[in-house]
Amino acid sequence: AQSVTQLGSHVSVSEGALVLLRCNYSSSVPPYLFWYVQYPNQGLQLLLKYTTGATLVKGINGFEAEFKKSETSFHLTKPSAHMSDAAEYFCAVKYGGAQKLVFGQGTRLTINP
Amino acid sequence: GAGVSQSPSNKVTEKGKDVELRCDPISGHTALYWYRQRLGQGLEFLIYFQGNSAPDKSGLPSDRFSAERTGESVSTLTIQRTQQEDSAVYLCASSSDRVPGNTIYFGEGSWLTVV
Repeated sequence: AQSVTQLGSHVSVSEGALVLLRCNYSSSVPPYLFWYVQYPNQGLQLLLKYTTGATLVKGINGFEAEFKKSETSFHLTKPSAHMSDAAEYFCAVKYGGAQKLVFGQGTRLTINP
Repeated sequence: GAGVSQSPSNKVTEKGKDVELRCDPISGHTALYWYRQRLGQGLEFLIYFQGNSAPDKSGLPSDRFSAERTGESVSTLTIQRTQQEDSAVYLCASSSDRVPGNTIYFGEGSWLTVV
C-alpha cells in the first residue's frame, strides 16, 4: 500500500539552528512529492513540491527539500530556524496517474528562543 | 474567487443530526478533494472529484458520509446522523487539471464539533 512516514511527531530546535524534518515514502513508481505547512487554526499552505527535474527543490520561507530516490526520502530542511516557522508540517505524495494525495501524520515544529 | 472557500467555518451540532459542509473551489479547477483532520492527527482522504468522471469515494468512512458536486463548481459534503467521532476539521481542496503533479490548494476548513 502507498504510504508516507514522517519520523518524529514533534521536533524542537533553537532559533537559528538547522531544521530537519524527515519524510520517507513507499512507492514502486516515480512519485510526486509535496511539503505543506499548517499554522495554528489555518488551512494548509504549499511549501514546495517535486515533480520532475532537479532533485533539490527550493520553496517559500527559506525551506528546501531533496528527493533521494535511492533512499525513498524527501526530507525538508532550513538552515536557520525562525520563531515564525513554528507550525505543523505535512509531507504528501501522489503516485503516477493517481490523483489522491496521501499525507504523512505530520510533524509539529517548535522553535525555542 | 481567489482561493478555496469553505462554509461554515465552525459548526456545533447535536449527536444524531445531519450536517452539510460546502466548498467553493478555485475558479477553473476541475479537481476537488475532501479530507478530514482529527485533532492532533494527519489528513485522511475522503473523496475526490475530477470533472465529469465518477468520483473516487474510497476514503468515505461509512455510508453516513456522502458528497456531491455539480460539474466543476460547488461541492457539498453531507454527514448524516452525526456521531461524536465525526468531530474534526473537514478540509476541501482543488487543483487545475489532470496533471498529476499539479498543486492542490486547500481551504481554511470547516470545524465540526458533535456534542
